[in-house]
Amino acid sequence: AQTVTQSQPEMSVQEAETVTLSCTYDTSESDYYLFWYKQPPSRQMILVIRQEAYKQQNATENRFSVNFQKAAKSFSLKISDSQLGDAAMYFCAYRTDSFNAGNNRKLIWGLGTSLAVNP
Amino acid sequence: NAGVTQTPKFQVLKTGQSMTLQCAQDMNHEYMSWYRQDPGMGLRLIHYSVGAGITDQGEVPNGYNVSRSTTEDFPLRLLSAAPSQTSVYFCASSPTFYREHEQYFGPGTRLTVT
Repeated sequence: AQTVTQSQPEMSVQEAETVTLSCTYDTSESDYYLFWYKQPPSRQMILVIRQEAYKQQNATENRFSVNFQKAAKSFSLKISDSQLGDAAMYFCAYRTDSFNAGNNRKLIWGLGTSLAVNP
Repeated sequence: NAGVTQTPKFQVLKTGQSMTLQCAQDMNHEYMSWYRQDPGMGLRLIHYSVGAGITDQGEVPNGYNVSRSTTEDFPLRLLSAAPSQTSVYFCASSPTFYREHEQYFGPGTRLTVT
């Protein structure tokens, strides 16, 4: 079974600096998606960035980028020029892309990393 | 577009009471799902629906019922509330089952069962 592990329950960063959140996963599949979701105090889950496993190029969305290491099964999120509005829980998630997965296509979630941004 | 809306935002129930958490989306999405979020346990899928009239169980379906009579609405019913159902509940939707990774989440409902 697939698992997602976020080893840092809490992180903090100074405003305008860079922080990296870690995520590792375990799977025997070759086709899958990986995601980072942000959950601010409002509690609404917001998709930050996604990565298709077949793509070698790391995904980037403005100040957010990932370091996807498929062989190491690692998927870290880098936030550059951190802003106060980046303070939130960040969740890493995995989903198979296998057409045969049927009901097992659900998202598998890590437990989250709470990020504080200090002014 | 309002996106995904959930009502109520907060609810307190007594053990044994029943209630329905409402979820609606105005994006004509086929796929809708319900999650619960508990401290230290991440998000867990309760039920999901791949289209009107079709529902299926997720990881933790016991104690909950769902129906999908329209594309827009996907209510979650607690049949007889228990303290173990104290949680934050999220509804989500995506265009299709195979685009689940593009899910839009609602703002959540915080439920306390005493």
